[in-house]
Amino acid sequence: GQNIDQPTEMTATEGAIVQINCTYQTSGFNGLFWYQQHAGEAPTFLSYNVLDGLEEKGRFSSFLSRSKGYSYLLLKELQMKDSASYLCAPTDSNYQLIWGAGTKLIIKP
Amino acid sequence: SAVISQKPSRDICQRGTSLTIQCQVDSQVTMMFWYRQQPGQSLTLIATANQGSEATYESGFVIDKFPISRPNLTFSTLTVSNMSPEDSSIYLCSVEPPNMSSYNEQFFGPGTRLTVL
Repeated sequence: GQNIDQPTEMTATEGAIVQINCTYQTSGFNGLFWYQQHAGEAPTFLSYNVLDGLEEKGRFSSFLSRSKGYSYLLLKELQMKDSASYLCAPTDSNYQLIWGAGTKLIIKP
Repeated sequence: SAVISQKPSRDICQRGTSLTIQCQVDSQVTMMFWYRQQPGQSLTLIATANQGSEATYESGFVIDKFPISRPNLTFSTLTVSNMSPEDSSIYLCSVEPPNMSSYNEQFFGPGTRLTVL
């Protein structure tokens, strides 16, 4: 079967760094997406990894290890506006996104 | 990126009635998707709607309950038929614009929040 596992909720302090982990099992693999979703809003694209390693994009970085079925999203210099849910979504052999339940990130001053 | 609008943004409906949700895109796209998201839950794909062909439904979703139209490359509708309280959810359409990048990320509409009484 296909399965995505990420923490339900995390809390971090403004200005700090937080790492959101995601482990996955899919039928085939064609890359992994991270999306951000603010409460009551639509998901927006953050990053995509298809090869092993770290992809850096400003304050956000995403890492992938295909052999371990593991990814993480790293958020630096946290801001209050980063309070949102972060969705991990690997793609299967048919390029279909398999969505995790998301990690709700709470940023405290 | 693609700009997507949905109508209605929210609605409260009575059990047994039907609601049609519209999705409009500002550019021509082949791939369009309809999702459902329960509060605090992950996105669940209902169906993929490609212009010129019948929609492809995921396991657990059937055309009689969720008929979809895709008359052209910029528009689609999803109907939630014979609604029950279990259909209360947020319904999202998304598109995969061609040639945007090498990995074809999806862009989402703002969603339709449906409450069935």
